[in-house]
This record gives sequence, C-alpha cells and structure tokens, in this order.
Amino acid sequence: EDKVVQSPLSLVVHEGDTVTLNCSYEVTNFRSLLWYKQEKKAPTFLFMLTSSGIEKKSGRLSSILDKKELFSILNITATQTGDSAVYLCAVVGTSGSRLTFGEGTQLTVNP
Amino acid sequence: SQTIHQWPATLVQPVGSPLSLECTVEGTSNPNLYWYRQAAGRGLQLLFYSVGIGQISSEVPQNLSASRPQDRQFILSSKKLLLSDSGFYLCAWSSWGGAYEQYFGPGTRLTVT
Repeated sequence: EDKVVQSPLSLVVHEGDTVTLNCSYEVTNFRSLLWYKQEKKAPTFLFMLTSSGIEKKSGRLSSILDKKELFSILNITATQTGDSAVYLCAVVGTSGSRLTFGEGTQLTVNP
Repeated sequence: SQTIHQWPATLVQPVGSPLSLECTVEGTSNPNLYWYRQAAGRGLQLLFYSVGIGQISSEVPQNLSASRPQDRQFILSSKKLLLSDSGFYLCAWSSWGGAYEQYFGPGTRLTVT
C-alpha cells in the first residue's frame, strides 16, 4: 500500500521567514509526486515532480524530488500571511491516476 | 478553460436520510473523475474514481455509492447517512490518458446530525 508522510504537521513562523516542508513516501512503481496548497476550500495544484534533482520553481515557492532517498521538500522564501494554508503532498504509483495523500502540513504565517 | 462545479456548498442532514452530491466538469472531454472525503481539515481519502461513463471503482467499503450517468457528471449518494459520514467532500478531475495532476472542485461540507 502506498504511503506518504509529511512533516512537520504544524508550523508557525513570522512574515519574512523561510520554511521547508518535508514529504517522504513509499510507493510501488513511482510515477510522480505532487504538491497542493489548501486554504479554506479546494486544494490548488502547485507542482508535479517526476525526476530527481530538478527544481520546480514558482515565485517564492520551489520544490525538489530525491527518488533515491524517497522524499521531496517544498521551500517557501520570504513568507507572507497569504502563505498560511495546509500544504498537501501526494504520490502516484502503480495505480496510474490515483493519488495517495499525506496528512498535510498546517503553515501559519504571523505578521 | 476547464472548470469544475460542486453543489451544494454546505448541507446539514439528519442520520438515516438520503444523500446526493453532484459534480460537473466543463471544458474537457472524457475526464477521470474522483470523490474524496477530508476529515478534520487534513489528509484526503479517495472514495471513488471513474475513468468513463458507468465505470466506477470503489476504494473504501462504506454506505456511500457513486454513479457517472454522463461523461462530465459524477454523483455521490447514500441511502441512509451515518454520523461518521460528516466531512468535507471534494470532487476532482484529471485528463484521460496520463496526466496525473488533479484539479479540485470547491467542495461540499456535510454535517450529519
């Protein structure tokens, strides 16, 4: 059974701080790893990673995958209060289109 | 562009009553469709997924069922709700044939009393 573990489960920082969120996984026939941001309602797609060592970047957010050590990190630099959300990590394995989600990291950015 | 709709946004139902949640997708053909439940605002649990009309795969045994009567319509149902059915229900779609990212609808918050 595919498994995703995220850490920390909760994180409180001040505006301007840099944060690193972790995601480790166990999956049969890994295909991809995805990051989502969830504020009040629907999760919104951030990144999809399929290859090791290639950084994906969007503004102040970036993510990288290590397929040897089976983990990914999501970095957020110069955090803002609008970054407060639950960040979800998910993997796709043998099943193809099915996603297995971790429990998420609740990030709170205080002014 | 593609959009996904869910309704209702919130629902309060008594134990033992029936349930019907609807999800529709616009701007794409033959999508894969998914129903998830999220408890306590954290991880998502996949309930059902569908790769085509009338094709439903169930992930978790329970008193819920799903149907796909049309290509871009996905319905989640129950004949008799339990207290444990309370939660945040999310519908999602992905492109048929290989793209893995899923896009989520706005969700339905269900409270069973």
